This record gives sequence, C-alpha cells and structure tokens, in this order.
Amino acid sequence: QQQVKQSPQSLIVQKGGISIINCAYENTAFDYFPWYQQFPGKGPALLIAIRPDVSEKKEGRFTISFNKSAKQFSLHIMDSQPGDSATYFCAATHSGNTGKLIFGQGTTLQVKP
Amino acid sequence: KAGVTQTPRYLIKTRGQQVTLSCSPISGHRSVSWYQQTPGQGLQFLFEYFSETQRNKGNFPGRFSGRQFSNSRSEMNVSTLELGDSALYLCASSLVAGQGGEQYFGPGTRLTVT
Repeated sequence: QQQVKQSPQSLIVQKGGISIINCAYENTAFDYFPWYQQFPGKGPALLIAIRPDVSEKKEGRFTISFNKSAKQFSLHIMDSQPGDSATYFCAATHSGNTGKLIFGQGTTLQVKP
Repeated sequence: KAGVTQTPRYLIKTRGQQVTLSCSPISGHRSVSWYQQTPGQGLQFLFEYFSETQRNKGNFPGRFSGRQFSNSRSEMNVSTLELGDSALYLCASSLVAGQGGEQYFGPGTRLTVT
C-alpha cells in the first residue's frame, strides 16, 4: 500500500513537444503529491506539488493533473526544452507526514533539439 | 539563503568499516530527512528527525542510524558497511515536521563501498 508506480521509465520528446509522466498510488491516506526534477550530480529539486482538493495545478510550463478516484496523477511539461532533460520523480505522502516521501522509480526525459 | 549542505560529497570505504555523513539544513529549517538513492531501488526513505527526535524510520536494518543536534544539523551513520550500501545518500530539510511542508534536498554524499 506504500508503493508509487511511475511510467514511463524513459521518454524522448522533440523540442517544443509535450512530455507526460504518469504516477499511480495505492494508499488512500496520501494527500500530498510533489514532483521533483534531478540533474546528474545534483539532488532532487522540488518542481511543483498538488493536494487532492484541486484537480489541476499549473506553474509556468509545468502542470500536474490529479484524478483522486483513479488514484493517479501526472506531470505535463509543455513546450519541452533541451534544458528540461533530467530525471523526474513523483512522490506521495500524507500531509501530516511530509518528512517521509514515497517516491516513484523515476523517468529519464530527453528533449531532442 | 544557503541551501542544504552535505559533507563529504564523495566517500570511499571498505566493506566492514563504518561511515558518518553530515547534513546542515537550510537556516531556520528544523526537520531533516534522509534518503538512499540507488539505480535499482530508486529513492528510499531512511529516517526523519525533528527537534532532535526521530519521527519516522524507513525499512532499513539497524546498521543505519542517525541523530539530530540542537542546531538542527543531522548525521547518519552506517556501521559494518556492505557492498550494497554503495549509494547516493540525500538529506532533505523542511521548516517543520508533519505540517505539509516542502522538502528541499541537498546535493548528496556519494558513498562507494569496496
């Protein structure tokens, strides 16, 4: 019940295209869903996060869509740029326990010029 | 404001030895969490500290331990190192614990066990 499943494992997108990464969780107590971006040699950096009281949250070119009934959430990167090439991790936890994030396996995104 | 700092950045140890890693949280942050990152298992939660007390512990053997000091700095220790302990160890800090606070990660300590 603690798992977060992320797909795809890797993704290649052309510059200007839309990158979509999906995650599914099992624990219905989870109510905080952040996305992290990690470049080689760096720690993960918080991109955007959502709570179940909204179905969508947008920050710049990054949008999280959330489907509570399906227990799924996804990250959309609009107008993908080569600088977006990185590994993306979804995570989930209970908002009373945000020090313990359960991470998906990660998606390596390559944006081709 | 300075980010989360971790020392050392790289470490090579021999199987059977022990190691101590250090983490300094963002100024004012009082909660520190530790994660292990490996290619096979991904990012796995180790433990969380707040006000010098362990709040949460992940599913790791007792060889993995940690502590937090009164200035919120944290250390983690791994005793009797095994080859499988080779990983990137990440520290993350947040303002408070258990209130939906965002976690900010440091660059990690790359531990290689030979």
